[in-house]
Amino acid sequence: GAVVSQHPSRVICKSGTSVKIECRSLDFQATTMFWYRQFPKQSLMLMATSNEGSKATYEQGVEKDKFLINHASLTLSTLTVTSAHPEDSSFYICSARPAGTGAGELFFGEGSRLTVL
Amino acid sequence: AQTVTQSQPEMSVQEAETVTLSCTYDTSESDYYLFWYKQPPSRQMILVIRQEAYKQQNATENRFSVNFQKAAKSFSLKISDSQLGDAAMYFCAYRPREANSKLTFGKGITLSVRP
Repeated sequence: GAVVSQHPSRVICKSGTSVKIECRSLDFQATTMFWYRQFPKQSLMLMATSNEGSKATYEQGVEKDKFLINHASLTLSTLTVTSAHPEDSSFYICSARPAGTGAGELFFGEGSRLTVL
Repeated sequence: AQTVTQSQPEMSVQEAETVTLSCTYDTSESDYYLFWYKQPPSRQMILVIRQEAYKQQNATENRFSVNFQKAAKSFSLKISDSQLGDAAMYFCAYRPREANSKLTFGKGITLSVRP
């Protein structure tokens, strides 16, 4: 199946700094990628939909200025957590759907665990 | 708005036995996809099985099968011959057929397998 890679898998940062997480589709092009946040033992919460070459669409309640999303190419989307605070500590997961397919499934990255001290 | 409900937070099954995980959903769409995803301790989301709403036949993937009841908006997952490696969180998910539509997840269920 298609492979989606996230980097870094784990990151620890100090409060007030910014952290960038990359999501790459390794063997397919993805016009759309999705970013999720997941707390322990809970479901995935969609944060935003990332569209190649255009602005991301954020879900209600997600701060656009806090979580910057850039989808600069058909294989790369980035999530930047700006001025991170301890409450931003979480597990972030991206997913992507191959371009040109109406097929159902999304392919998920391995996730990135962010810890803000 | 579409919703996906998994009412059981946890289930346990004896190794080699069969277990059924329940899921209901609500939608006004007539054409859509339903999925079961597995999330093991590694946190990697793995697609277990997919069902297309216009197909009446229940999807099957080796030991995994679904009972899709469109009128009742029910989509349960049956795991046969349970193995220790099946222990994970399982999420039921829904997506309308239209391109670039969002995936809506249920709250998930934690399945443990007793040796």
